[in-house]
Amino acid sequence: AQSVTQPDIHITVSEGASLELRCNYSYGATPYLFWYVQSPGQGLQLLLKYFSGDTLVQGIKGFEAEFKRSQSSFNLRKPSVHWSDAAEYFCAVGPSNTGNQFYFGTGTSLTVIP
Amino acid sequence: DTGVSQDPRHKITKRGQNVTFRCDPISEHNRLYWYRQTLGQGPEFLTYFQNEAQLEKSRLLSDRFSAERPKGSFSTLEIQRTEQGDSAMYLCASSLGDSYYGYTFGSGTRLTVV
Repeated sequence: AQSVTQPDIHITVSEGASLELRCNYSYGATPYLFWYVQSPGQGLQLLLKYFSGDTLVQGIKGFEAEFKRSQSSFNLRKPSVHWSDAAEYFCAVGPSNTGNQFYFGTGTSLTVIP
Repeated sequence: DTGVSQDPRHKITKRGQNVTFRCDPISEHNRLYWYRQTLGQGPEFLTYFQNEAQLEKSRLLSDRFSAERPKGSFSTLEIQRTEQGDSAMYLCASSLGDSYYGYTFGSGTRLTVV
């Protein structure tokens, strides 16, 4: 069955420090992988996506993620965090067998301290 | 392109009442999705439309829930005889063609059942 695990419920980093958010997935075939960000009371915004090809993908707001098939991981990174990056981050994998839905992790809440 | 719009943003209702939410997708998007997000969880798939046809429903969508997309444009999600367990954020998303490219989410409707 398809599933996503985000092991870190909450992470705190200092502004300017580097960031890595972990995502592990279970999927029977080559997955489509996504990272979304959600600010309080808002919907989800797509940060980046991976389909195939180069395993290091670049997204918006200076984020990148690396697909590692051997580790079933798709970790999100940013070299220098800004206070405005504080939000909830969700990893998603899919599609389902019907091709119409994706499976989201439980999210990682990021706090940025000055 | 004004994005995906959802109305209302917040709804407080008494247990047993019926509620209806509206979603206006991006105008050229032919696919529309409803997800539910409870506190501390990632979004969970509810249902999916391609144009006006409802093509998939999750087991989460009990018989108290109904969704429509009458002309292939906006969609409504109705919950009858609301229960406290229905309290959640209801997210609408849309996509043009395959969802593999990622969804565009609305800001959601926060439902509180008291």
